[in-house]
Amino acid sequence: SAVISQKPSRDICQRGTSLTIQCQVDSQVTMMFWYRQQPGQSLTLIATANQGSEATYESGFVIDKFPISRPNLTFSTLTVSNMSPEDSSIYLCSVDRGAGTDTQYFGPGTRLTVL
Amino acid sequence: GENVEQHPSTLSVQEGDSAVIKCTYSDSASNYFPWYKQELGKRPQLIIDIRSNVGEKKDQRIAVTLNKTAKHFSLHITETQPEDSAVYFCAARIESGGSYIPTFGRGTSLIVHP
Repeated sequence: SAVISQKPSRDICQRGTSLTIQCQVDSQVTMMFWYRQQPGQSLTLIATANQGSEATYESGFVIDKFPISRPNLTFSTLTVSNMSPEDSSIYLCSVDRGAGTDTQYFGPGTRLTVL
Repeated sequence: GENVEQHPSTLSVQEGDSAVIKCTYSDSASNYFPWYKQELGKRPQLIIDIRSNVGEKKDQRIAVTLNKTAKHFSLHITETQPEDSAVYFCAARIESGGSYIPTFGRGTSLIVHP
């Protein structure tokens, strides 16, 4: 299994500000994913982040709003920029060890409330 | 892209009964089907998975079946217990350009009444 930690676990932010969420994994992983989960809803993929390349964003998500960094094989950050109340959600990072393995592990999530 | 439909959205059972959650997928190239359990306020955790070369897989009280022809797969929980109460998500995954991108169903809220 993979041990994944996220910081912060929760935050309350003002409209118009930005928040950077950190995701740390206890071992090197090929792929890292960022998801958004609104209350009572499913998991919506924001983007896929591979080390050494630009993140790949899903439809409806753009780099200017959700910039992602992936500086090495154990760490990634997601920034939620120019926040509005509609960005209030749980943000989860997830990892996939890559070729030959299938299991996807999730971090504990960051609960974001935008006032 | 892939589309995963999950039913029912809510399932209420008595302790000891069986529970069945069904999912359908659209892309016949999908080859891996995991199920996740998410308890309130916690992260999704993998409980069982099945690959396209297998029709059924069991792990104690949990089983998953896959019908590739019909493109549907199901989660079966027998002898349900109150601690089985959670939201369950199915997913279908396809390899795309060397990446494995899962598509999740909308989730089923399972309530087990003692």
